Amino acid sequence: DTGVSQNPRHKITKRGQNVTFRCDPISEHNRLYWYRQTLGQGPEFLTYFQNEAQLEKSRLLSDRFSAERPKGSFSTLEIQRTEQGDSAMYLCASSDPQVNEQFFGPGTRLTVL
Amino acid sequence: AQSVTQPDIHITVSEGASLELRCNYSYGATPYLFWYVQSPGQGLQLLLKYFSGDTLVQGIKGFEAEFKRSQSSFNLRKPSVHWSDAAEYFCAVGTSYGNKLVFGAGTILRVKS
Repeated sequence: DTGVSQNPRHKITKRGQNVTFRCDPISEHNRLYWYRQTLGQGPEFLTYFQNEAQLEKSRLLSDRFSAERPKGSFSTLEIQRTEQGDSAMYLCASSDPQVNEQFFGPGTRLTVL
Repeated sequence: AQSVTQPDIHITVSEGASLELRCNYSYGATPYLFWYVQSPGQGLQLLLKYFSGDTLVQGIKGFEAEFKRSQSSFNLRKPSVHWSDAAEYFCAVGTSYGNKLVFGAGTILRVKS
């Protein structure tokens, strides 16, 4: 078990560009969560999946954000037309339904110039 | 809606001294409560969790926390702090099993020798 992995670890982009992040959960974890963390704040929930179904989306997830988990394994989070306010750490977590504990990946740090 | 308050943004303690980090939550029913630690460049690591039963829970690295329903609190304690405990600590509440977490803003712990 290698834990939750996220790629890339860092992304620098220019305002208006699209970016995509990938999260690979712990194998056999059927729940996958995305959070966003800005400087000086705790993580804020964005969305979560159970298998391939997206069960909840936060109001923070504007229409520029889309997340997918097509085969119930890895997930991608895409941000279209990035804005400077999107600069943050994007965290992914996964959990086993039998154990109420979310395991977090190292995050992808996005900087929008 | 549920919320978490961590009143202390920064705390500095001497190595070997005791530690208490405060956490207050707002939720109408019995919450699921968690403490996570985040070191620079690292993902969030779960220290301990409370679901039900004994209100004093033990976690990893010598940490413990006590759930006090009457005070809506879940304070984290450690009897003797080590320099390696310097990190940021987050309290979180979950409202149902396996659901999203709501985090506090975090407390940065500094340890002085």
